[in-house]
Amino acid sequence: EVQLAESGGGLVQPGTSLRLSCAASGFTFSNYWMHWVRQAPGKGLVWVSRLNSDGINTAYADSVKGRFIISRDNAKNTLYLQMNSLRAEDTAVYYCARASYDYTDNYHYIDVWGKGTTVTVSS
Amino acid sequence: QTVVTQEPSFSVSPGGTVTLTCGLSSGPVSSNYYPSWYQQTPGQAPRTLIYSTNTRSSGVPDRFSGSILGNKAALTITGAQADDESDYHCVLYMGSGIWVFGGGTKLTVL
Repeated sequence: EVQLAESGGGLVQPGTSLRLSCAASGFTFSNYWMHWVRQAPGKGLVWVSRLNSDGINTAYADSVKGRFIISRDNAKNTLYLQMNSLRAEDTAVYYCARASYDYTDNYHYIDVWGKGTTVTVSS
Repeated sequence: QTVVTQEPSFSVSPGGTVTLTCGLSSGPVSSNYYPSWYQQTPGQAPRTLIYSTNTRSSGVPDRFSGSILGNKAALTITGAQADDESDYHCVLYMGSGIWVFGGGTKLTVL
């Protein structure tokens, strides 16, 4: 069974750092692009970051660029999100998501989601 | 700043048909934005319904369909059921590796 399991969330103070992990199982992790998406309490989904399969090509939302770093360890089947200089507005459930390749449209689309891990930034 | 727009809320009667839309503040939505749709119930992770405008994800019933209607991407639910009551999120691909979600639509079936 394809599964994504996030961990590492918690309560942290503004200005501090936190690293989220996403353990993948049930598929060949190294073949897939991966995303982080977050959802603040009572709000909609917000795309955060994307990483290609070999871990070289990254993309970030403007709201996190320069503060967050996405990375992966294909040997450990794990995706990471290093979050630095955390702000109250970073408070959210963070989901990791797998992106599969659509050969018809030459496009990677999100098809599998983890259950999320909660990050709360508060003093 | 690019804004993706969705109706905040919508209601449909059981057995009825509803179309939710996904627009773009800067202009028309086309298939080149590869619109995708996700269903989410409270406290649960999202579930992928539709990708690349109109392709159903594995296991999604055919009463869910995606299209481009006018200047927007659209998700149509035909024969709505009680368990379709959920939040529906769209996302558009802006290029250069950037995706933007809409604010989501809360669908009530009553």
